Amino acid sequence: QKEVEQNSGPLSVPEGAIASLNCTYSDRVSQSFFWYRQYSGKSPELIMSIYSNGDKEDGRFTAQLNKASQYVSLLIRDSQPSDSATYLCAVKRYQAGTALIFGKGTTLSVSS
Amino acid sequence: DGGITQSPKYLFRKEGQNVTLSCEQNLNHDAMYWYRQDPGQGLRLIYYSQIVNDFQKGDIAEGYSVSREKKESFPLTVTSAQKNPTAFYLCASSDSGGAADTQYFGPGTRLTVL
Repeated sequence: QKEVEQNSGPLSVPEGAIASLNCTYSDRVSQSFFWYRQYSGKSPELIMSIYSNGDKEDGRFTAQLNKASQYVSLLIRDSQPSDSATYLCAVKRYQAGTALIFGKGTTLSVSS
Repeated sequence: DGGITQSPKYLFRKEGQNVTLSCEQNLNHDAMYWYRQDPGQGLRLIYYSQIVNDFQKGDIAEGYSVSREKKESFPLTVTSAQKNPTAFYLCASSDSGGAADTQYFGPGTRLTVL
């Protein structure tokens, strides 16, 4: 079974700080990577997707991918209390029809 | 409004009963998925379907069954053979199921066995 690993946290940061969430994956042929945010009792919502090595920025969020190290991260700049949630890393292998493999998630707590 | 709907939001099942969870999407997506989430755990794949009348087992298909008779609908039946069905069930869909495809989730159904 291929795995996606995340530090479960909780990761605590003060309001306005940068939160850094990390994810490693074991399947070298993985091609697509996703970050979802999940509030307690709710379903996951997509934040970012990334397919190529390097950085991808969207507002306060930056996803970083390093396929050689099998590592993907999510940076949240100017963290807000509303960012407090569980962040799920998901990986899709390069195989049509394959669903996502999820990590267990990192819980982020932003204090005001 | 385009989106994915799941019903019911909460479901209670007695031991030995089969129950069916509904998932409908109006996004014209080809692929649909069912995941299960237990407290403090990531999502685990139960079944997925890339096209109508075709579906594949995921990692934890035992005790579950699905059908895909219409593009917009992918119901999940939790049978009495599923020994520990209490969980949060999430339905998702994506355009084609390809490698660069993005999955979007419905609001979920929380199933509790009494």
